[in-house]
Formats: sequence, C-alpha cells, structure tokens
Amino acid sequence: AQTVTQSQPEMSVQEAETVTLSCTYDTSESDYYLFWYKQPPSRQMILVIRQEAYKQQNATENRFSVNFQKAAKSFSLKISDSQLGDAAMYFCAYRSAQGAQKLVFGQGTRLTINP
Amino acid sequence: KAGVTQTPRYLIKTRGQQVTLSCSPISGHRSVSWYQQTPGQGLQFLFEYFSETQRNKGNFPGRFSGRQFSNSRSEMNVSTLELGDSALYLCASSFGRAAQFRHEQYFGPGTRLTVT
Repeated sequence: AQTVTQSQPEMSVQEAETVTLSCTYDTSESDYYLFWYKQPPSRQMILVIRQEAYKQQNATENRFSVNFQKAAKSFSLKISDSQLGDAAMYFCAYRSAQGAQKLVFGQGTRLTINP
Repeated sequence: KAGVTQTPRYLIKTRGQQVTLSCSPISGHRSVSWYQQTPGQGLQFLFEYFSETQRNKGNFPGRFSGRQFSNSRSEMNVSTLELGDSALYLCASSFGRAAQFRHEQYFGPGTRLTVT
C-alpha cells in the first residue's frame, strides 16, 4: 500500500518570503501522480499543483513550484512571495496511474503567514 | 459552472442512529469519490463511484455504504453511528476515472457530522 508522509505539522513564514513544505511517499509503482492540495480554514479543498511521475521536469504554477525527486520519493512544495491568502492546511497526495480514483493523503502541514 | 455541492453542511446525530449524506457533482462529471477527514486519522478514502458502480472501496466497516444515481449524484450512508464517526465528509468529482490524468478531482465543501 502507498503511504504519504508530511513531517512538518506546522510551518510559518513572513509575508513576501519563501517557504518549502516537505513530503515523502512510499510506493512500489513506477507510474503515478502527485498533488498538493490547499484547504483554507472552513473552505473547500483546492488543487494547487500536480506532477506526473514520468515527467522529470518540475511542475510550476505561478508562485508555486515543486521539487520532485523520484528516486528519493520526495515531493516538496515551494511557495514564493508568500501572501496572507496562502495561509491554509496543505496536503500532499498520491494517486496511482492504474485507474483508481483514490487519493492517498499525508497528514497535512498548517501554514501560517506572518504579516 | 456550479461546483460540487454537499448537503447537509452540518448534521448532529445520536449514537446508534443512521445518516445519509448527499453529493451533487459538477455538471458533466461522472465520477464521485468520498473521503472522511478527522484530526486523528486525517483524510481517508471511503469509496469511488463511476457510472453508478462502486469501483473502489477504502478500509472502512460495512456500516459505511454508498450509491450513485443515473444523474451521477451520490449518497453515502452510515448506519449504527459511533462517536468515532464524527468527521468532515468530503465528496470529490471528476469528469472520468482518474486514469486520465487531466480529470482532476474537485472537492465539495463537506458535511460536518457530529455524533453525540
């Protein structure tokens, strides 16, 4: 079974600075997808960024980028120029490429932005 | 386009009762998945439905069941409620099965269930 581990329960960063959230995963599969989801307080979960395992190039979405290290099974999220609206729980998630809809989530990292 | 909707948003039930939660996917989406979110266990997969058929099931007891209708709307039912069933229940929809990468999942706001 696949597992996802987020070792940082909480992180904080000053507004406009850069922060990196860590995620490691365990799988025996070679083809899969990785995601970072954001869950603001009392608001819906939204997709921040996604990475296909077969792609070596790291995904980027505006201020959000990932560092995907397949051999190390590591998938960190970097948020540049942090904004107050980035404050949320961030979840790393794994999905097999075999067809199942199932997402396997990490425990989450609560990110606080200090003004 | 309207997002994923879940009803009710909040629910209080007593131990031993049963509850039914509803999820309406985004128009045109045919796949619906359910997750349970608790502070202790985090986000755990419950079921996946596609074309009215359960395609995958998580490691939950038989008290948890679900179904999907021909319009893709889905319901989940929990019978004989226990205190530990208190959680945020999230529904996610996507156009097709997740084998196609671009069919990302969109989450609803969740139903907060409290069992007393």
